[in-house]
Amino acid sequence: EAGVTQFPSHSVIEKGQTVTLRCDPISGHDNLYWYRRVMGKEIKFLLHFVKESKQDESGMPNNRFLAERTGGTYSTLKVQPAELEDSGVYFCASSLLGPTNEKLFFGSGTQLSVL
Amino acid sequence: EDQVTQSPEALRLQEGESSSLNCSYTVSGLRGLFWYRQDPGKGPEFLFTLYSAGEEKEKERLKATLTKKESFLHITAPKPEDSATYLCAVSGGAQKLVFGQGTRLTINP
Repeated sequence: EAGVTQFPSHSVIEKGQTVTLRCDPISGHDNLYWYRRVMGKEIKFLLHFVKESKQDESGMPNNRFLAERTGGTYSTLKVQPAELEDSGVYFCASSLLGPTNEKLFFGSGTQLSVL
Repeated sequence: EDQVTQSPEALRLQEGESSSLNCSYTVSGLRGLFWYRQDPGKGPEFLFTLYSAGEEKEKERLKATLTKKESFLHITAPKPEDSATYLCAVSGGAQKLVFGQGTRLTINP
C-alpha cells in the first residue's frame, strides 16, 4: 500500500516568490492534515480537510497561505509571497474517518528554504 | 492552551541499557495521547495511542504508560536501530495534534 506522498521533497526559493507544495494522501483517507516544523520548534498544526472541505484552518499563519483539496483527493499548499520565516519542513498526514481517525500517517515532508 | 513538554531533549544509551522518556501535558479534555517515532528525513511514524490514565501499550522493546499529567515511553534493552527522535502529542477537543519538541535518542552499540 502506497503511503502519503509529498512533492517536492526540497524547495529553495527567494523571498517574494510563490511556492506550491503537493500532498497525495493514502487512497481512501478522507482526513488530510498539514503540519509544519520550523527550525528548533515543535511540529505545529496548520489545517485539516475532511474530503474537500476545510474542517479547521486555525493554524494557518496568515493569508499568504492557501490550501486546497481538489475533489477530496490530493491537496496543495501555496505560499504567496514567501517570507523568510516560512522556511521549515511541511508535513502532510492523512487518516480514515471513524474510530481510527486519530491514527495519522505522515509523509516525509517538504523542506522549504526561503532565501 | 494545550501544551506538551518532553524530557530529556536528547539521550544517549548503550545497547541494552534501559531507560524512560517523559512527556508532560496539559490539555482541556484529553481525547488521546500519541507517541510517534521520527527518523532523519522522514515523517513521524505512529507508535501508540493512549486514551485514559492507567492505560499501557507495548510494542517490541517499547512500552507506553499514561497518568493524568504525563506519559512515559519505556525502552527495554534497546538496540541501535531504536535510535530516532520520539515525539509525544495530545489531541484535545479539536481533531488536531499538539506536539512536544521530541526526545532525540541515540543507542550506541
